[in-house]
Amino acid sequence: AQSVTQLGSHVSVSEGALVLLRCNYSSSVPPYLFWYVQYPNQGLQLLLKYTTGATLVKGINGFEAEFKKSETSFHLTKPSAHMSDAAEYFCAVSRGGSNYKLTFGKGTLLTVNP
Amino acid sequence: ETGVTQSPTHLIKTRGQQVTLRCSSQSGHNTVSWYQQALGQGPQFIFQYYREEENGRGNFPPRFSGLQFPNYSSELNVNALELDDSALYLCASSLGSIGATDTQYFGPGTRLTVL
Repeated sequence: AQSVTQLGSHVSVSEGALVLLRCNYSSSVPPYLFWYVQYPNQGLQLLLKYTTGATLVKGINGFEAEFKKSETSFHLTKPSAHMSDAAEYFCAVSRGGSNYKLTFGKGTLLTVNP
Repeated sequence: ETGVTQSPTHLIKTRGQQVTLRCSSQSGHNTVSWYQQALGQGPQFIFQYYREEENGRGNFPPRFSGLQFPNYSSELNVNALELDDSALYLCASSLGSIGATDTQYFGPGTRLTVL
């Protein structure tokens, strides 16, 4: 079975500050890892994904995440927060490609203060 | 813009009724997955269809059923609605070749309220 734990249901940062959203996973097989963003009253948009290869993954809107197998982590970062980054962020894990289900964490709500 | 559309946007039903939610996938996407997102929670996998056949199911009762059609559209049907079925229902489409590393693209969702 696979699972995802997102540490902190709510993170608040100032505009221009570092964004760090934490995700730890559990998987019995090499995981595929994802970060999705959800704006109010909208569906999920893929920010980035790790499948194989380079462990530092760059995504859209300046976000990146690093896969650390020894720590079973896949934390999401952005050097400088923008007001438009305020949204809910979900970390997800799967066993492989899109024929496998995504298992999501409970989400982290990011607030950006002016 | 993912090209995945869902209808209706919002729906209100009463307990015991039946509901059908619809999803239109991107052209060429053979796989559609459905997820339930309760308020304040992450999405939970309901089931997946690949080339019109069920290809996996989450921990949901049989009153949740689905169909996938050759024209890249699909349906989620829920019978005997319960109050706990109130949620945002998301569909996600993908190319879906076995072993592929492609991405699941999500639609905007249907907000179902059961009274």
